[in-house]
Amino acid sequence: AQSVSQHNHHVILSEAASLELGCNYSYGGTVNLFWYVQYPGQHLQLLLKYFSGDPLVKGIKGFEAEFIKSKFSFNLRKPSVQWSDTAEYFCAVNVGSYIPTFGRGTSLIVHP
Amino acid sequence: DVKVTQSSRYLVKRTGEKVFLECVQDMDHENMFWYRQDPGLGLRLIYFSYDVKMKEKGDIPEGYSVSREKKERFSLILESASTNQTSMYLCASSLRGQGATDTQYFGPGTRLTVL
Repeated sequence: AQSVSQHNHHVILSEAASLELGCNYSYGGTVNLFWYVQYPGQHLQLLLKYFSGDPLVKGIKGFEAEFIKSKFSFNLRKPSVQWSDTAEYFCAVNVGSYIPTFGRGTSLIVHP
Repeated sequence: DVKVTQSSRYLVKRTGEKVFLECVQDMDHENMFWYRQDPGLGLRLIYFSYDVKMKEKGDIPEGYSVSREKKERFSLILESASTNQTSMYLCASSLRGQGATDTQYFGPGTRLTVL
């Protein structure tokens, strides 16, 4: 069975700092990859996704993620975070089915 | 915009009670899911359904059942609530068989407390 690892469980940054959240998965075949975000008090929503093509994917609010197949990784990045990016971030991997596997999430706190 | 609604945002029940959590989506999605979200454990799949009257167990189905009588509605049932079922419950829906477009759309969640 596939597994998804998010290595950073809690991240605390100051505004304008750069962000990189790690996501690694265990499956070696074709995968679809997602990052979801849950802002305080709000529902989970899609941040960005990768299915094919350019491995550098751009999402909402200035986020991007890079798919590196050789490293089984799909890390999320943002060059300059804002206080409003405080949220929980989940990586998810879908291997040919419609049932994705989620990572355990990373809680990001951005201090103003 | 896809909308997924859940019947309650907060619910407090007593041990042993039967609990119904309702979820409705308005985008004609085939797939619907129930997750529970606990701190440090992420999202764990309880049940999912890929069509009316069809259901499949997820990773943690024990103590739960589901019902899908209509395409837009997916209910989660706790037959006899226990304190270890205190959690945030999330419903989601998605199109089926679209490969990379299997984006899930989530409801706001129901925070259930079992006393």
